[in-house]
Amino acid sequence: QSALTQPASVSGSPGQSITISCIGTSSDNLVSWYQQHPGEAPKLIIYEVIKRPSGVSHRFSGSKSGNTASLTISGLQAEDEADYYCCSNAGGPVILYVFGTGTTVTVL
Amino acid sequence: QVQLQESGPGLVKPSGTLSLTCSVSGGSFTSGTWWTWIRQPPGKGLEWIGEIFLSGSHYNPSLKSRLTISLDKSNNQFSLSLTSVTAADTAVYYCAKNGVPWYFESWGQGILVTVSS
Repeated sequence: QSALTQPASVSGSPGQSITISCIGTSSDNLVSWYQQHPGEAPKLIIYEVIKRPSGVSHRFSGSKSGNTASLTISGLQAEDEADYYCCSNAGGPVILYVFGTGTTVTVL
Repeated sequence: QVQLQESGPGLVKPSGTLSLTCSVSGGSFTSGTWWTWIRQPPGKGLEWIGEIFLSGSHYNPSLKSRLTISLDKSNNQFSLSLTSVTAADTAVYYCAKNGVPWYFESWGQGILVTVSS
């Protein structure tokens, strides 16, 4: 199963909104997103496409249309500079989690 | 809040066996909880290795022939064993607690394992 497709990099100025796409997700609503700062473990920021764990900023939001999920970061801040990964099940009879290729967000 | 901590050798010889343990604190191995291993080669993306719960496990098909994940409920630990390793298995290995359904809600800090002679 191939990795889900994400743009390699996205950038924006402080205060702007950016969107990261994730192509190839399965038909159900089991998409999650993770933020990873350099040298740190990934952190869950979105699950079940649109839900935010307690403590995660409301500036992070998720959506999905067909086989493409999206993560939007509103009011971009310097601390949002990190790598972002989507994750979905591969679909089909075999249990298999598939991650996206990863997107580096740069705050200009 | 559950905490996870990976431990094990940081260097494994080619063709050897990579063995890691994840110690869990602040949580218990209840029947409804899944526990996962994920890895990340240096400078690359994340790869799901496999998951386990009290009565079963699922493995990534690409690793299944070399992989064993086991659970030690009495010590609140779960483990990873990967045989016949090569340089391609060099990665940071993370253990994680699954949320329901289908996401990873808590992660360990990760441990770098290098396969080299």
